[in-house]
Amino acid sequence: EAGVTQSPTHLIKTRGQQATLRCSPISGHTSVYWYQQALGLGLQFLLWYDEGEERNRGNFPPRFSGRQFPNYSSELNVNALELEDSALYLCASSLEGGVGQPQHFGDGTRLSIL
Amino acid sequence: GESVGLHLPTLSVQEGDNSIINCAYSNSASDYFIWYKQESGKGPQFIIDIRSNMDKRQGQRVTVLLNKTVKHLSLQIAATQPGDSAVYFCAEDSSYKLIFGSGTRLLVRP
Repeated sequence: EAGVTQSPTHLIKTRGQQATLRCSPISGHTSVYWYQQALGLGLQFLLWYDEGEERNRGNFPPRFSGRQFPNYSSELNVNALELEDSALYLCASSLEGGVGQPQHFGDGTRLSIL
Repeated sequence: GESVGLHLPTLSVQEGDNSIINCAYSNSASDYFIWYKQESGKGPQFIIDIRSNMDKRQGQRVTVLLNKTVKHLSLQIAATQPGDSAVYFCAEDSSYKLIFGSGTRLLVRP
C-alpha cells in the first residue's frame, strides 16, 4: 500500500512569491491534514480537509489556504511568502475525519524562502 | 496556548536496555493520543495509539501508558535497538487536530 506522497520534495522561493504544495493521501483515506514543522517550533496544525471541505484551521493567517479535490488529493497554497514561512510542510491522511483516527504522514515538502 | 509538553530533551540509552519517554498533555478532555517516531529527513511515523478509556496498550516492543489523573503519557521501548534512534513525539487529538509536543531525541549507544 502506497503511503502519503508529497511534491515537490524541496521548493525554493523568494519573499512575496506564492508556493503550491501537493499531497496524495493513502488510498481509501478521505481526510487530509496539513502541518508546519518549523525549526524549534515542533509540528503546528494548519488545515484539515474532509470530503472536499475545510473542516478546521489552525492559528495561521489567511494567506495559508488550500483545497481538496474530488480524488481526495490536496493542495496547500501560501501567498505573499515571508522568511518565517521557511519550514517543512507535512501532509497527513486518515481513513475518515474525527477523533480517534490515526493520521499517517508523508515525508514533507521543504520550503525555503530566500 | 495549547500544548503537549516536551522540551526536546535527549535520552541516551545503551543498546539492549529499555527506554522510557515521557510526555505531559494539557487538555483533560482529550480522548485519543498517539506516539510518532521521526527519523532525519522523513515524516513522523505512527508507532502506537491509545484511547482515554484505556491506561495501557502494548505493541511490538512498545508500550504506551496513560495516566489521566496527572495528564501524563509515556512510551516504553523494550530492548532498544540502533534503529530506534530518532525523535519521538507524543500527540493529543483535540478538536479534530493533533497537538504535538516538541519531541524527545533518543540516542542509542552501541
